[in-house]
Amino acid sequence: QVQLVQSGAEVKKPGASVKVSCKASGYTFTSYGISWVRQAPGQGLEWMGWISAYNGNTNYAQKLQGRVTMTTDTSTSTAYMELRSLRSDDTAVYYCARGPSRAGNWFDPWGQGTLVTVSS
Amino acid sequence: QSALTQPASVSGSPGQSITISCTGTSSDVGGYNYVSWYQQHPGKAPKLMIYDVSKRPSGVSNRFSGSKSGNTASLTISGLQAEDEADYYCCSYAGSSTFRYVFGTGTKVTVL
Repeated sequence: QVQLVQSGAEVKKPGASVKVSCKASGYTFTSYGISWVRQAPGQGLEWMGWISAYNGNTNYAQKLQGRVTMTTDTSTSTAYMELRSLRSDDTAVYYCARGPSRAGNWFDPWGQGTLVTVSS
Repeated sequence: QSALTQPASVSGSPGQSITISCTGTSSDVGGYNYVSWYQQHPGKAPKLMIYDVSKRPSGVSNRFSGSKSGNTASLTISGLQAEDEADYYCCSYAGSSTFRYVFGTGTKVTVL
């Protein structure tokens, strides 16, 4: 079955960087994009951006431009999201999700989430 | 890009129908038929319930339906069940020059 498995929880200090991985299985990795969405404690979902696993093209949310980098490793069907210059308000659960794709503009399925805590 | 506007909470009794609205602009909801809806239970990852405004993925109950009029999309849950109690988020493509997306503010559905 289609599955996305993310790396484990991270604790970082303000100013540091974090890199979260998302390993895909059960489908042709290069046929879909991978999107990243985060959710601060008790808050809603925030779209961060997406990367085409086919050609590596990226689109990032304006507020994160310059701090976020999304990459893929097609040899291992793994996507990565790196966020730099971490602040306390970056504390959130970070999700990867399959999509978008030529088939459409939706996200399915989602990874289990990775909690990133930014604290001094 | 501002979040799409959803009511903070909606409630209903078992068996009733409820509707959640999702209001955007002509640059997102009103401009494309690419609205999707996600259900999220506490501590769990979101799950796709509706895509392309009104289409249901396989495995999703036909009690869930979607529609759109102008800049507002809606999710209706009919025959409300206890398991439907969750948070619901809409999402719209907001591209054209940029291939981007925007989520709604989220709605807590309570089954009384």
